[in-house]
Amino acid sequence: SAVISQKPSRDICQRGTSLTIQCQVDSQVTMMFWYRQQPGQSLTLIATANQGSEATYESGFVIDKFPISRPNLTFSTLTVSNMSPEDSSIYLCSVRAGGSYEQYFGPGTRLTVT
Amino acid sequence: AQTVTQSQPEMSVQEAETVTLSCTYDTSESDYYLFWYKQPPSRQMILVIRQEAYKQQNATENRFSVNFQKAAKSFSLKISDSQLGDAAMYFCAYRSVMRGKLVFGAGTILRVKS
Repeated sequence: SAVISQKPSRDICQRGTSLTIQCQVDSQVTMMFWYRQQPGQSLTLIATANQGSEATYESGFVIDKFPISRPNLTFSTLTVSNMSPEDSSIYLCSVRAGGSYEQYFGPGTRLTVT
Repeated sequence: AQTVTQSQPEMSVQEAETVTLSCTYDTSESDYYLFWYKQPPSRQMILVIRQEAYKQQNATENRFSVNFQKAAKSFSLKISDSQLGDAAMYFCAYRSVMRGKLVFGAGTILRVKS
């Protein structure tokens, strides 16, 4: 299994500002994903981070609001832009290695927007 | 679109007893994977068990086993000899071999009583 770290683990931010969340994996992985989990809810896929190209966003999520970078096979960032209280959630990074059907998750970043 | 349904928002079990969590899914595809994830209060998503749809034999991992009924599109999780550390939110998830996206159910909160 892959070991995934996320920074920061939590943050409290003011409305209108942006926060960048980092995801680091201890091995090269083919696929990286970003999920949002609102309090007490299930996980919703925001986008698939593609190495060397633009991320693939799910319905309801747009690049201007959630820009994603993936400069290499072990690292990705998710930025939550122009935040509002509705963005208060846990954001999770997830990875899947090529040829594997198992998907692993980072510890999550708890974001609170005031 | 594929959907995953967990009809039990909350379950309780006495320590050392057995509990079964239900999951049903809807798909028109024949090739897919099913998973159970555990999310304790620490919020770390932990892969508990997985099942390939082409396998008739039910997966087992120590105290965790599944009852996979492909025709009925049912995938329940049985936890034997429940322990206090099993208390968590449990998510059932589906992934198509072709499409690659993990689809989650709403989750079931499992409480373990001592």
